Amino acid sequence: GAGVSQSPSNKVTEKGKDVELRCDPISGHTALYWYRQSLGQGLEFLIYFQGNSAPDKSGLPSDRFSAERTGGSVSTLTIQRTQQEDSAVYLCASSLKSLGYTFGSGTRLTVV
Amino acid sequence: AQSVTQPDIHITVSEGASLELRCNYSYGATPYLFWYVQSPGQGLQLLLKYFSGDTLVQGIKGFEAEFKRSQSSFNLRKPSVHWSDAAEYFCAVGASQAGTALIFGKGTTLSVSS
Repeated sequence: GAGVSQSPSNKVTEKGKDVELRCDPISGHTALYWYRQSLGQGLEFLIYFQGNSAPDKSGLPSDRFSAERTGGSVSTLTIQRTQQEDSAVYLCASSLKSLGYTFGSGTRLTVV
Repeated sequence: AQSVTQPDIHITVSEGASLELRCNYSYGATPYLFWYVQSPGQGLQLLLKYFSGDTLVQGIKGFEAEFKRSQSSFNLRKPSVHWSDAAEYFCAVGASQAGTALIFGKGTTLSVSS
């Protein structure tokens, strides 16, 4: 597509439930990134996919967080047993080599 | 440790006045440097980037930034601020390798007064 598409744009979930966040990157972009943006905390790196290489999961905050990228395109970020501290905006970006990221508009997750 | 510091959390500038947003980085490899802008409720938009060559880079919306290796800085400037520039600005650094994850600063919120 023309840009990075994220869905849903907003998600309210109950504490303890699992959620899935979707990212559809720009066609042909080999790299895909997930970041978390909390109020006043800037962007926290979560995970990065590059082509067929093993993903860099070094930023995932706990084993409740996981992500996959199917067919080198769409990615899903899954948060299991959500906690209130998981409330944030989850941003996805894609890039082609080092030309800079293109970000999606994000998913605002609220855990109640 | 690799990091990006944006010393100013919030800056207020009068419309028409000049602007400089500070960014300092700590990075072990040759850095690629970026500035992004985020308007309320929006995603991040790339303003400009520095990879190599001329240390003064021009971006969109009349912004420019200067890379100073000796000071590990990449400050963003604009000669005359418009009310529509009110937003949050993020500096980021990455390695000069394809597709490495960027490290972002915590952002500077710019308010523009009339």
